[in-house]
Amino acid sequence: SQQGEEDPQALSIQEGENATMNCSYKTSINNLQWYRQNSGRGLVHLILIRSNEREKHSGRLRVTLDTSKKSSSLLITASRAADTASYFCATDEGNYGQNFVFGPGTRLSVLP
Amino acid sequence: GAGVSQSPSNKVTEKGKDVELRCDPISGHTALYWYRQSLGQGLEFLIYFQGNSAPDKSGLPSDRFSAERTGGSVSTLTIQRTQQEDSAVYLCASSLTSGSETQYFGPGTRLLVL
Repeated sequence: SQQGEEDPQALSIQEGENATMNCSYKTSINNLQWYRQNSGRGLVHLILIRSNEREKHSGRLRVTLDTSKKSSSLLITASRAADTASYFCATDEGNYGQNFVFGPGTRLSVLP
Repeated sequence: GAGVSQSPSNKVTEKGKDVELRCDPISGHTALYWYRQSLGQGLEFLIYFQGNSAPDKSGLPSDRFSAERTGGSVSTLTIQRTQQEDSAVYLCASSLTSGSETQYFGPGTRLLVL
């Protein structure tokens, strides 16, 4: 079963707006990662946040983690058409070296 | 250095035939993962290799699926007697070590079983 569950499933915004995607998970984790996928091909790692961290920034990306609610959010500020992609969260289910579990993803469309 | 590469990029096969998918991880990466992604869906974990340890095969959907990793580097995913439901993109990823590290993905192999 999928550990990470993203919502919304699809999001459409105008260029320049902010996009927020959420991820919920069920069991304890060591870290949570966000990935981007263009055109149904390979995923690109965006950011990793560890269980003892609450917020992390990388350029226009801001990730938060609330372990009490077992949820994370990815915020993309000042979105661009090039941000159009599917975004996935992945959790390690608290097992170092074990498989990651990816959610079904959020499909983001940024309209010019 | 080069990223993760996979071959072939696309594979069309007839139902019942066997297929082999190849993954070349980043040099020096000890962990290697295979995932399957159906159209518009998330990633489904298939198998995980870590160094010389026995692989975690818990995600393989049936005994028609098998994988090996030779010399701790190149990996081959084999699907025997392919079925139409095996049609998907097969993604390979590697990471430097185990321990929940960042995974680097290849471009995937798009498999179509007719």
